[in-house]
Amino acid sequence: AQKVTQAQTEISVVEKEDVTLDCVYETRDTTYYLFWYKQPPSGELVFLIRRNSFDEQNEISGRYSWNFQKSTSSFNFTITASQVVDSAVYFCALSEYGNNRLAFGKGNQVVVIP
Amino acid sequence: DGGITQSPKYLFRKEGQNVTLSCEQNLNHDAMYWYRQDPGQGLRLIYYSQIVNDFQKGDIAEGYSVSREKKESFPLTVTSAQKNPTAFYLCATDSGQPDIQYFGAGTRLSVL
Repeated sequence: AQKVTQAQTEISVVEKEDVTLDCVYETRDTTYYLFWYKQPPSGELVFLIRRNSFDEQNEISGRYSWNFQKSTSSFNFTITASQVVDSAVYFCALSEYGNNRLAFGKGNQVVVIP
Repeated sequence: DGGITQSPKYLFRKEGQNVTLSCEQNLNHDAMYWYRQDPGQGLRLIYYSQIVNDFQKGDIAEGYSVSREKKESFPLTVTSAQKNPTAFYLCATDSGQPDIQYFGAGTRLSVL
């Protein structure tokens, strides 16, 4: 069965600091997809990134970057130079090939203090 | 506007009452999903539908029912059998595997 673990619950940082969110996953499939979503206070989940299991290339998009390591089953997410607008809950999720059901972690509450 | 519309935004249920949450999409997506979110928890899958007139139970389907009579609509009924319905309910859609799921704004259900 697929499983996603996000160990930290709430993380507080001062504005302009970097923050890294850890995500560890479990799956028996060799083909799978990993996601990060952001949930601002309004409640709607906003898609940030998807990675498939064959693409370990790390990515940078603006102030966001992702570090995918199959060897440790981790898909970590970093916000560089955090801003108050980054305050939200961030979810890591996993789906297995042929089954688009998403398994979510419990989320990381990020609080950016001005 | 293209997107996913959930209504109402807030809903209150009385003891023994069934209530229905609406989810409508105009993205022409085949698949639709219902998730439940409790405070401090991740999302848990209630039901999903990959095609019209077909749907499957998710991880926590007890006390809920759905229908998929139209591609655009996937209403969720919270029945009186659901003893702890207070939660935030999110609807999502995608165009098929592998794909990204997109979410509506959610409905917050409380018990009076």
